[in-house]
Amino acid sequence: KQEVTQIPAALSVPEGENLVLNCSFTDSAIYNLQWFRQDPGKGLTSLLLIQSSQREQTSGRLNASLDKSSGRSTLYIAASQPGDSATYLCAVPGNKLTFGGGTRVLVKP
Amino acid sequence: KAGVTQTPRYLIKTRGQQVTLSCSPISGHRSVSWYQQTPGQGLQFLFEYFSETQRNKGNFPGRFSGRQFSNSRSEMNVSTLELGDSALYLCASSLVSDGYYTDTQYFGPGTRLTVL
Repeated sequence: KQEVTQIPAALSVPEGENLVLNCSFTDSAIYNLQWFRQDPGKGLTSLLLIQSSQREQTSGRLNASLDKSSGRSTLYIAASQPGDSATYLCAVPGNKLTFGGGTRVLVKP
Repeated sequence: KAGVTQTPRYLIKTRGQQVTLSCSPISGHRSVSWYQQTPGQGLQFLFEYFSETQRNKGNFPGRFSGRQFSNSRSEMNVSTLELGDSALYLCASSLVSDGYYTDTQYFGPGTRLTVL
């Protein structure tokens, strides 16, 4: 059974600092890993999908890395802004999409 | 292209009632999945529909059911509501479905259900 963990559960940084969000999974036989952003009370917005054959995927200030052998993915957000404040979730596919518990990020002006 | 839409956005019901939630996927998407999100349990998979057939089902009681129409729109129904059913219900659509959720999932804004 796939289990996905995100640590820490919450993170607070000053504006301009780089953010590093972690995601670990127990079954390394994954097809891909997807990162989402969720604003309070809202739905999920897809940020990046990184295929199992890729080691990195980039979109603007976001960069996601994937290390299947160690069961880890990291989402980097460069030069954080207050608008980056949200909960970030990672998810891996299988017979369902399994989500981590999320990391709640607060970027202080 | 319009995103995933869910109606209604907010619902207040009382225990014992039933409720029906609706989800319209992105045009051309044939797979629709439903999730329940609560502060205690996080995001939990309810079921997936593809071409009007339920493909996968999560670990929820039979009070939770769903269906998909020929235009890919989907509904989920919860009967005999309990206080614990209060949650944000999210649906997601994807272009293809291979049974393994390998395609990008696009989520709707959710329906906030409150059971009193």
